[in-house]
Amino acid sequence: AQSVAQPEDQVNVAEGNPLTVKCTYSVSGNPYLFWYVQYPNRGLQFLLKYITGDNLVKGSYGFEAEFNKSQTSFHLKKPSALVSDSALYFCAVRDRNNNDMRFGAGTRLTVKP
Amino acid sequence: GAGVSQSPSNKVTEKGKDVELRCDPISGHTALYWYRQSLGQGLEFLIYFQGNSAPDKSGLPSDRFSAERTGGSVSTLTIQRTQQEDSAVYLCASSLWGQYTGELFFGEGSRLTVL
Repeated sequence: AQSVAQPEDQVNVAEGNPLTVKCTYSVSGNPYLFWYVQYPNRGLQFLLKYITGDNLVKGSYGFEAEFNKSQTSFHLKKPSALVSDSALYFCAVRDRNNNDMRFGAGTRLTVKP
Repeated sequence: GAGVSQSPSNKVTEKGKDVELRCDPISGHTALYWYRQSLGQGLEFLIYFQGNSAPDKSGLPSDRFSAERTGGSVSTLTIQRTQQEDSAVYLCASSLWGQYTGELFFGEGSRLTVL
Protein backbone atom coordinates (compact mmCIF):
# COMPACT_ATOMS: atom_id res chain seq x y z
CA ALA A 1 0.00 0.00 0.00
CA GLN A 2 1.07 3.56 -0.56
CA SER A 3 2.38 5.72 2.28
CA VAL A 4 3.50 9.27 2.93
CA ALA A 5 6.03 10.73 5.35
CA GLN A 6 6.19 14.31 6.52
CA PRO A 7 9.39 14.42 8.55
CA GLU A 8 8.72 17.73 10.27
CA ASP A 9 5.92 18.16 12.80
CA GLN A 10 6.47 21.91 12.86
CA VAL A 11 7.98 24.50 10.55
CA ASN A 12 8.54 28.09 11.66
CA VAL A 13 9.40 30.88 9.25
CA ALA A 14 9.41 34.66 9.31
CA GLU A 15 6.98 36.55 7.14
CA GLY A 16 8.49 37.35 3.77
CA ASN A 17 10.95 34.47 3.88
CA PRO A 18 10.66 31.41 1.65
CA LEU A 19 9.09 28.30 3.13
CA THR A 20 9.43 24.60 2.45
CA VAL A 21 7.28 21.81 3.86
CA LYS A 22 8.75 18.39 3.16
CA CYS A 23 7.02 15.24 1.93
CA THR A 24 8.29 11.86 0.77
CA TYR A 25 6.17 9.01 -0.50
CA SER A 26 6.17 5.32 -1.24
CA VAL A 27 4.04 3.64 -3.91
CA SER A 28 4.37 0.57 -6.05
CA GLY A 29 4.04 2.47 -9.31
CA ASN A 30 3.78 6.04 -10.48
CA PRO A 31 2.02 8.27 -7.97
CA TYR A 32 -0.57 10.97 -7.96
CA LEU A 33 0.51 13.48 -5.30
CA PHE A 34 -1.51 16.11 -3.49
CA TRP A 35 -1.17 18.87 -0.92
CA TYR A 36 -4.02 19.97 1.34
CA VAL A 37 -4.24 22.74 3.93
CA GLN A 38 -6.32 22.79 7.09
CA TYR A 39 -7.09 26.08 8.80
CA PRO A 40 -8.21 26.02 12.46
CA ASN A 41 -11.54 24.29 13.03
CA ARG A 42 -12.02 23.71 9.31
CA GLY A 43 -11.95 20.75 6.96
CA LEU A 44 -9.13 20.14 4.55
CA GLN A 45 -8.84 22.23 1.41
CA PHE A 46 -7.06 21.17 -1.76
CA LEU A 47 -3.95 23.19 -2.66
CA LEU A 48 -2.31 21.51 -5.63
CA LYS A 49 -1.55 18.18 -7.24
CA TYR A 50 0.96 16.41 -9.45
CA ILE A 51 -0.43 14.05 -12.03
CA THR A 52 2.01 14.01 -14.92
CA GLY A 53 4.13 16.35 -16.98
CA ASP A 54 6.08 19.29 -15.58
CA ASN A 55 7.67 18.40 -12.26
CA LEU A 56 6.94 21.86 -10.85
CA VAL A 57 3.26 22.39 -10.16
CA LYS A 58 1.62 25.60 -9.07
CA GLY A 59 -1.45 25.84 -6.89
CA SER A 60 -3.58 28.13 -4.82
CA TYR A 61 -2.35 31.07 -2.74
CA GLY A 62 1.06 31.20 -4.46
CA PHE A 63 2.12 27.72 -3.36
CA GLU A 64 4.06 25.37 -5.59
CA ALA A 65 5.52 21.89 -5.24
CA GLU A 66 8.25 20.00 -7.01
CA PHE A 67 7.96 16.32 -7.87
CA ASN A 68 11.28 14.52 -7.64
CA LYS A 69 10.99 10.91 -8.75
CA SER A 70 14.53 9.88 -7.86
CA GLN A 71 14.14 11.17 -4.31
CA THR A 72 10.45 10.16 -4.09
CA SER A 73 9.69 13.62 -2.77
CA PHE A 74 7.03 16.26 -3.29
CA HIS A 75 8.03 19.26 -1.19
CA LEU A 76 5.67 22.22 -0.86
CA LYS A 77 7.20 25.65 -1.35
CA LYS A 78 6.33 29.32 -1.37
CA PRO A 79 8.78 32.12 -2.22
CA SER A 80 7.46 34.58 0.35
CA ALA A 81 5.47 33.43 3.38
CA LEU A 82 2.49 35.30 4.81
CA VAL A 83 1.20 35.20 8.38
CA SER A 84 -2.09 33.96 6.93
CA ASP A 85 -0.31 30.86 5.60
CA SER A 86 -0.10 29.57 9.17
CA ALA A 87 -2.02 26.29 9.14
CA LEU A 88 -1.68 22.51 9.12
CA TYR A 89 -0.45 21.08 5.82
CA PHE A 90 -0.99 17.52 4.65
CA CYS A 91 0.70 15.66 1.83
CA ALA A 92 -1.21 12.78 0.24
CA VAL A 93 -0.53 10.08 -2.32
CA ARG A 94 -2.78 7.97 -4.46
CA ASP A 95 -1.65 4.86 -6.27
CA ARG A 96 -2.61 4.93 -9.94
CA ASN A 97 -4.12 1.49 -9.60
CA ASN A 98 -6.77 2.38 -7.09
CA ASN A 99 -8.77 5.23 -5.66
CA ASP A 100 -7.42 5.03 -2.13
CA MET A 101 -5.70 8.19 -0.89
CA ARG A 102 -3.31 8.12 2.06
CA PHE A 103 -2.20 11.15 4.04
CA GLY A 104 0.90 12.12 5.93
CA ALA A 105 0.85 13.06 9.60
CA GLY A 106 0.74 16.76 8.80
CA THR A 107 3.13 19.65 9.33
CA ARG A 108 2.12 22.70 11.31
CA LEU A 109 3.42 25.83 9.62
CA THR A 110 3.75 28.97 11.70
CA VAL A 111 4.64 32.23 9.99
CA LYS A 112 5.68 34.98 12.38
CA PRO A 113 5.40 38.69 11.60
CA GLY B 1 -25.59 20.30 -2.02
CA ALA B 2 -22.67 22.50 -2.86
CA GLY B 3 -20.23 20.71 -0.60
CA VAL B 4 -19.76 17.70 1.61
CA SER B 5 -22.07 17.93 4.59
CA GLN B 6 -21.43 16.18 7.89
CA SER B 7 -23.60 15.90 10.97
CA PRO B 8 -23.51 16.34 13.82
CA SER B 9 -20.69 18.87 13.93
CA ASN B 10 -20.15 18.06 17.60
CA LYS B 11 -21.15 15.02 19.60
CA VAL B 12 -20.50 14.37 23.27
CA THR B 13 -21.33 10.91 24.51
CA GLU B 14 -20.71 8.67 27.46
CA LYS B 15 -18.39 5.73 27.33
CA GLY B 16 -20.22 2.61 26.18
CA LYS B 17 -22.87 4.40 24.14
CA ASP B 18 -23.27 3.96 20.39
CA VAL B 19 -22.93 6.92 18.02
CA GLU B 20 -23.79 7.52 14.38
CA LEU B 21 -22.07 10.08 12.21
CA ARG B 22 -23.55 11.09 8.89
CA CYS B 23 -21.97 12.23 5.65
CA ASP B 24 -23.76 13.62 2.62
CA PRO B 25 -21.29 13.81 -0.29
CA ILE B 26 -21.27 16.17 -3.22
CA SER B 27 -23.94 15.24 -5.71
CA GLY B 28 -22.53 12.99 -8.42
CA HIS B 29 -19.51 11.94 -6.37
CA THR B 30 -19.59 8.18 -6.09
CA ALA B 31 -16.37 7.70 -4.12
CA LEU B 32 -16.67 8.41 -0.40
CA TYR B 33 -14.01 8.27 2.29
CA TRP B 34 -13.93 8.38 6.08
CA TYR B 35 -10.85 9.51 7.96
CA ARG B 36 -10.16 10.08 11.64
CA GLN B 37 -8.06 12.93 12.95
CA SER B 38 -7.04 12.69 16.58
CA LEU B 39 -5.66 15.67 18.49
CA GLY B 40 -2.14 16.34 17.26
CA GLN B 41 -2.28 13.44 14.83
CA GLY B 42 -2.53 13.14 11.10
CA LEU B 43 -5.38 11.66 9.12
CA GLU B 44 -6.04 8.00 9.75
CA PHE B 45 -7.78 6.25 6.88
CA LEU B 46 -10.86 4.30 8.00
CA ILE B 47 -12.91 3.17 5.03
CA TYR B 48 -13.81 4.08 1.50
CA PHE B 49 -16.69 3.31 -0.80
CA GLN B 50 -16.26 3.20 -4.54
CA GLY B 51 -19.42 3.04 -6.58
CA ASN B 52 -21.13 -0.34 -6.17
CA SER B 53 -17.90 -2.15 -5.34
CA ALA B 54 -17.29 -3.73 -1.95
CA PRO B 55 -15.91 -1.07 0.40
CA ASP B 56 -12.30 -1.07 1.50
CA LYS B 57 -12.61 -1.53 5.26
CA SER B 58 -8.93 -2.08 5.87
CA GLY B 59 -8.56 1.02 8.04
CA LEU B 60 -11.31 0.34 10.56
CA PRO B 61 -9.56 0.07 13.95
CA SER B 62 -11.87 -2.52 15.51
CA ASP B 63 -15.11 -4.37 14.97
CA ARG B 64 -16.89 -1.67 16.97
CA PHE B 65 -16.60 0.50 13.86
CA SER B 66 -18.79 0.02 10.84
CA ALA B 67 -20.03 2.10 7.95
CA GLU B 68 -22.63 1.84 5.29
CA ARG B 69 -23.65 3.79 2.29
CA THR B 70 -27.23 3.73 1.18
CA GLY B 71 -28.25 4.35 -2.39
CA GLY B 72 -24.75 5.26 -3.37
CA SER B 73 -25.03 8.60 -1.63
CA VAL B 74 -25.34 9.25 2.11
CA SER B 75 -22.99 7.35 4.40
CA THR B 76 -23.24 6.60 8.10
CA LEU B 77 -20.28 5.73 10.29
CA THR B 78 -21.34 3.86 13.43
CA ILE B 79 -19.21 3.39 16.51
CA GLN B 80 -20.57 0.90 19.02
CA ARG B 81 -19.72 0.85 22.72
CA THR B 82 -17.62 4.00 22.42
CA GLN B 83 -14.34 4.28 24.28
CA GLN B 84 -12.43 7.39 25.29
CA GLU B 85 -9.77 6.68 22.68
CA ASP B 86 -12.46 7.08 20.02
CA SER B 87 -12.51 10.81 20.74
CA ALA B 88 -11.43 12.53 17.54
CA VAL B 89 -12.65 14.49 14.56
CA TYR B 90 -14.17 12.24 11.94
CA LEU B 91 -13.76 13.61 8.43
CA CYS B 92 -15.70 12.57 5.37
CA ALA B 93 -14.58 13.27 1.82
CA SER B 94 -15.88 12.52 -1.64
CA SER B 95 -14.57 12.48 -5.18
CA LEU B 96 -15.64 11.39 -8.63
CA TRP B 97 -15.30 7.64 -8.89
CA GLY B 98 -12.62 6.44 -11.24
CA GLN B 99 -11.13 9.89 -11.52
CA TYR B 100 -7.87 8.97 -9.88
CA THR B 101 -6.42 12.34 -10.72
CA GLY B 102 -9.12 14.14 -8.81
CA GLU B 103 -8.72 15.68 -5.42
CA LEU B 104 -10.92 14.88 -2.45
CA PHE B 105 -13.50 17.32 -1.19
CA PHE B 106 -13.79 17.32 2.59
CA GLY B 107 -16.57 18.12 4.97
CA GLU B 108 -16.04 20.19 8.10
CA GLY B 109 -15.90 17.07 10.24
CA SER B 110 -17.76 15.66 13.22
CA ARG B 111 -15.99 16.17 16.53
CA LEU B 112 -16.65 13.25 18.86
CA THR B 113 -15.92 13.47 22.56
CA VAL B 114 -16.33 10.35 24.67
CA LEU B 115 -16.51 11.07 28.40
